[in-house]
Amino acid sequence: GAGVSQTPSNKVTEKGKYVELRCDPISGHTALYWYRQSLGQGPEFLIYFQGTGAADDSGLPNDRFFAVRPEGSVSTLKIQRTERGDSAVYLCASSLMGQPFNEQFFGPGTRLTVL
Amino acid sequence: DQQVKQNSPSLSVQEGRISILNCDYTNSMFDYFLWYKKYPAEGPTFLISISSIKDKNEDGRFTVFLNKSAKHLSLHIVPSQPGDSAVYFCAASAEQGAQKLVFGQGTRLTINP
Repeated sequence: GAGVSQTPSNKVTEKGKYVELRCDPISGHTALYWYRQSLGQGPEFLIYFQGTGAADDSGLPNDRFFAVRPEGSVSTLKIQRTERGDSAVYLCASSLMGQPFNEQFFGPGTRLTVL
Repeated sequence: DQQVKQNSPSLSVQEGRISILNCDYTNSMFDYFLWYKKYPAEGPTFLISISSIKDKNEDGRFTVFLNKSAKHLSLHIVPSQPGDSAVYFCAASAEQGAQKLVFGQGTRLTINP
């Protein structure tokens, strides 16, 4: 079956602009996660959805970042008034609930560059 | 503060020998530990995991060891193969925040023919 897909694969924008990053999880996965990976670092947790609701958004760095998952499947990460420091690879992952361990399946990521 | 640390940014091993990747953590609430492997331009892929109630888990050429008292885990790959060349991330999750993975910085493993 298809894995997690993310679009676009690359996004270049100018400082101050608004961007949307999309994630399509694996079909049937109820949990969806967003992470951000800066150069030379590991992925850093941003937000986790269980179904349509954000169960944990403690990783969102500030109120310029927002994510939605209106129908419990596709999710969109929205960044307002982008800053150069937002440049990173944004990773999406999904998982089945009830797993004995927290195996998350990752997409290829969206590389965001803010000029 | 880095709760999960991989202190070796890179490791080079000869094909056929054992590769040992190390990871340290500081949060005693972590109870699941995972290793992910990442190739360039791809997302991380799950490799192997271990629960805090165990001290060893084996899957083919891959074995993860957990030392809870030292807050240390390691991934052993034997024998190492050229296709193992990738960046390896250690990750941990805590019972209270069970859905959030905390990752280390990664170790780039290069297997030399």
